[in-house]
Amino acid sequence: GAVVSQHPSWVICKSGTSVKIECRSLDFQATTMFWYRQFPKQSLMLMATSNEGSKATYEQGVEKDKFLINHASLTLSTLTVTSAHPEDSSFYICSASRHQFLPWGHARNGYTFGSGTRLTVV
Amino acid sequence: GDSVTQMEGPVTLSEEAFLTINCTYTATGYPSLFWYVQYPGEGLQLLLKATKADDKGSNKGFEATYRKETTSFHLEKGSVQVSDSAVYFCALSPNSGGSNYKLTFGKGTLLTVNP
Repeated sequence: GAVVSQHPSWVICKSGTSVKIECRSLDFQATTMFWYRQFPKQSLMLMATSNEGSKATYEQGVEKDKFLINHASLTLSTLTVTSAHPEDSSFYICSASRHQFLPWGHARNGYTFGSGTRLTVV
Repeated sequence: GDSVTQMEGPVTLSEEAFLTINCTYTATGYPSLFWYVQYPGEGLQLLLKATKADDKGSNKGFEATYRKETTSFHLEKGSVQVSDSAVYFCALSPNSGGSNYKLTFGKGTLLTVNP
């Protein structure tokens, strides 16, 4: 089955530093990658959508200069939290999507999630 | 826009009890519907899915049927186990063209199963 590897699984960094999170699709080509943020006991908040080789599309309210997303290949996307502050502490999850067609013509999106990264900024 | 409403938790059950977590949706066209499960400290795992009306998704004893007439996709399990304790998310994605279509999630329901 489809596997998405996300690293690191947890990271602690000092305030003002930058942290990079990697998301790799191991056995399929991910045409689109999604980055989510999840606060404790809450649902997933979509931050941005990225297609390979193009700029990411950010959701309203997400600072694109703070959360840099790079999708250089069909198997790798990275999220860099720049100049991190304690309020950026959260659980970040990536998801890779591949497009599938069904016999009756409807497209079905397969989504595979990474295992998440717990970021703590101190 | 698309939206997913699922019953708020937390839900606490005894082992072997029957589980229902309600989920209704609002969407244009014919979306695909999903249930995801999240164990503590982990990412999301696909539990089951259905891509068209009247489809029944099933996995690990869980079932959900795509009901277009009631726009619902309720999750059920006949006999829960302690290991089923997790957060369950109902979600939908559009079905029309392109892989850029985003998943829309419900708020999640925390299930705790006591021995």
